[in-house]
Amino acid sequence: DQQVKQNSPSLSVQEGRISILNCDYTNSMFDYFLWYKKYPAEGPTFLISISSIKDKNEDGRFTVFLNKSAKHLSLHIVPSQPGDSAVYFCAARVDNQGGKLIFGQGTELSVKP
Amino acid sequence: KAGVTQTPRYLIKTRGQQVTLSCSPISGHRSVSWYQQTPGQGLQFLFEYFSETQRNKGNFPGRFSGRQFSNSRSEMNVSTLELGDSALYLCASRQGAYGYTFGSGTRLTVV
Repeated sequence: DQQVKQNSPSLSVQEGRISILNCDYTNSMFDYFLWYKKYPAEGPTFLISISSIKDKNEDGRFTVFLNKSAKHLSLHIVPSQPGDSAVYFCAARVDNQGGKLIFGQGTELSVKP
Repeated sequence: KAGVTQTPRYLIKTRGQQVTLSCSPISGHRSVSWYQQTPGQGLQFLFEYFSETQRNKGNFPGRFSGRQFSNSRSEMNVSTLELGDSALYLCASRQGAYGYTFGSGTRLTVV
């Protein structure tokens, strides 16, 4: 039972354009969502997060949108840069389960010069 | 401020052996969680420790265990290793309700 899904295994974008990474979830008890960037053989690096009481959070080039009715969140990267090329994971947390994060399968983003 | 430190970075073990991995959280962080990353299953939660107590556990067999010391450092142990235990093991520390920071991981290969 995969509660967090990233249906696109890969995404290719031209440098300077917008990258949109999508994530769907099934558990309505999730109260907090996070996006991580990961390189092979390294730990995930935190990018941005959003609480379930908000529908948008922005940090520089990164914006996360949350649509609770559709159980969908997305990460927008504008403008995309070649250094953004990595695997992106969305993760979700249920408040009363403390540190337990449930991760999607990841989307590999390739930003071409 | 030092990040989350995991040792060793790489490990090769033989089937049937046991292994212990170590995680030192960010100073002041009292919560430590462990995750397993494999190509087939992605990132999966193993367990979380807070103030030396296990607070939450994922769906892994009893061969996977952990503990946390009074200085918040944590160890996880895998006994009777199987080939399928080959994975990247990640540790994350947390202060308060948010702010999960991951270490670089330990790459375990079972042969």
